[in-house]
Amino acid sequence: DAKTTQPPSMDCAEGRAANLPCNHSTISGNEYVYWYRQIHSQGPQYIIHGLKNNETNEMASLIITEDRKSSTLILPHATLRDTAVYYCIVRERDNYGQNFVFGPGTRLSVLP
Amino acid sequence: DAGVIQSPRHEVTEMGQEVTLRCKPISGHNSLFWYRQTMMRGLELLIYFNNNVPIDDSGMPEDRFSAKMPNASFSTLKIQPSEPRDSAVYFCASRRLAGGTDTQYFGPGTRLTVL
Repeated sequence: DAKTTQPPSMDCAEGRAANLPCNHSTISGNEYVYWYRQIHSQGPQYIIHGLKNNETNEMASLIITEDRKSSTLILPHATLRDTAVYYCIVRERDNYGQNFVFGPGTRLSVLP
Repeated sequence: DAGVIQSPRHEVTEMGQEVTLRCKPISGHNSLFWYRQTMMRGLELLIYFNNNVPIDDSGMPEDRFSAKMPNASFSTLKIQPSEPRDSAVYFCASRRLAGGTDTQYFGPGTRLTVL
């Protein structure tokens, strides 16, 4: 079972920041927060992951609360091509290749 | 890098026929995953391999499904006989064990329609 809760859908105006929340109140100390997205008809795409510090890459920023019970994915300047389903996943980082459990995610619609 | 390659991209078949889906993982990756996605059930893991060895096949729905990984660069998912309820998009993903970001990279998927 997915260990996260996300809103089913969100809208964002093109050019504005998209802030996607995720609750993971039962996260354990050695579990990471991962974000993937799936653009229509494509395979899921990795975005970013983090443990407790905020992270930033060329795609997005990840803000994790101090108690680690929630996080926010930020797309700083959303474009129409960012319209997708965004999945927040928590899991341990390991060397055994275990699976990611994908929940229903948040369907983000970027509007012109 | 070409990414994960899947073939065919689309498959339409009739109930009772055998279907074989193919996957070529990213070179250097040694962990491979097969997922299935439907509107009703979302994205669910079927089976995964580490170093060509099946580790967890608990997600394989029934004996009609089988998966093999004869070498590090090729895997197949076979459905025999196929049924209309097998219609879905099947994704293959790969990652590199022991190092890296633990990130799985997904292929474009195979859209299977069983009539």
